[in-house]
Amino acid sequence: KNQVEQSPQSLIILEGKNCTLQCNYTVSPFSNLRWYKQDTGRGPVSLTIMTFSENTKSNGRYTATLDADTKQSSLHITASQLSDSASYICVVSAGSQGNLIFGKGTKLSVKP
Amino acid sequence: DSGVTQTPKHLITATGQRVTLRCSPRSGDLSVYWYQQSLDQGLQFLIQYYNGEERAKGNILERFSAQQFPDLHSELNLSSLELGDSALYFCASSGSGIRADTQYFGPGTRLTVL
Repeated sequence: KNQVEQSPQSLIILEGKNCTLQCNYTVSPFSNLRWYKQDTGRGPVSLTIMTFSENTKSNGRYTATLDADTKQSSLHITASQLSDSASYICVVSAGSQGNLIFGKGTKLSVKP
Repeated sequence: DSGVTQTPKHLITATGQRVTLRCSPRSGDLSVYWYQQSLDQGLQFLIQYYNGEERAKGNILERFSAQQFPDLHSELNLSSLELGDSALYFCASSGSGIRADTQYFGPGTRLTVL
């Protein structure tokens, strides 16, 4: 069964600190993996998208990694800001039709 | 602003009723996707349309239906509403070819069923 699991469920960090969010997937056949940021009550916004051959991709202070062998991805946030408080969703695309499997997200709270 | 618009922003209705949610994709985007997000739950993919035709189906109930019109806007129809249908409904759009990789989400419609 295609699944995407994210950890931790929630995380509280102090402003300025770094953090890493995890995503494990059992999706076949794998097409690509995306990370989205979703502010409360708003639509998700794409941060990164990685295909099978890509190991890392950055978007400002966000860096995503992908290990296709172990089927794991991580999202690293550097020098966190209060505006980073949001849910971060890992989404894996399966097959040629691109069926999307969503993780439940990690809720990040950045405190001053 | 993603360029995707959804109306209405909020909708309050009673059980057993029928509602229609509307989505206008970004200019030039041919694909429209519908998602449901219940309180503290992840996004659930409902259905995708591409240039007027159904492309993929997810966990969409038989009470729900959607369509995409020639001008590419889409409507999601929810009927015989139940309390459990209360959720945020998001629409997303994407382009074709290399532009198909990224979905742009609208602000959502919050549906409350009383």
